[in-house]
Amino acid sequence: EIVLTQSPGTLSLSPGERATLSCRASQSVSSSYLAWHQHKPGQAPRLLIYGASSRATGIPDRFSGSGSGTDFTLTISRLEPEDFAVYYCQQYGSSPGSFGQGTKLEIK
Amino acid sequence: EVQLVESGGGLVKPGGSLRLSCAASGFTFSTHNMNWVRQAPGKGLEWVSSISSSSSYMYYADSVKGRFTISRDNAKNSLYLQMNSLRAEDTAVYYCARGGILTTVIQSWGQGTLVTVSS
Repeated sequence: EIVLTQSPGTLSLSPGERATLSCRASQSVSSSYLAWHQHKPGQAPRLLIYGASSRATGIPDRFSGSGSGTDFTLTISRLEPEDFAVYYCQQYGSSPGSFGQGTKLEIK
Repeated sequence: EVQLVESGGGLVKPGGSLRLSCAASGFTFSTHNMNWVRQAPGKGLEWVSSISSSSSYMYYADSVKGRFTISRDNAKNSLYLQMNSLRAEDTAVYYCARGGILTTVIQSWGQGTLVTVSS
């Protein structure tokens, strides 16, 4: 089973700043089958990025994903107030699938 | 618009059983892999189980293997999770999640249903 480790656990930033979130896999994620999801309290999670770098439908271009192998990054270029949430990476290249433990992005 | 509506959650005693349902609409249900994902109170997301579009393949997290059974009815556009021998640590919000056609990437999520296991 592939274990995903996200860092940092909590990231405190201000609106307008750039956010960089990391996801590291215990072994290579095949075909870059790595996704990022956003989750706000009381809401359903939302897919942001799939295939490591492809934005899902309707996702603003301030969100971008990069990486391959075992190291992946989600970047939010300029934070908007609605971006403060918990972010999870998910690998779906091998079964069983797995999630990272999450990074909480909070307002500084 | 993709809609996934979970039902069947509630309070159950340890050792008891519960069956969750997910009604899907807004897409061709029979062509997509489907998943159950849960979130325990104060914890992160945990993948629970996946089923392929034709029910040929089913996968389970080690924490639920042998106790939970995933199934689907493509004629009814519905996904199910039969949960037996429930434990306190199964307490969580359970999300129905649409996977891809060729992969298990989670594309859409339901709002979730709360399962509480307590005496």
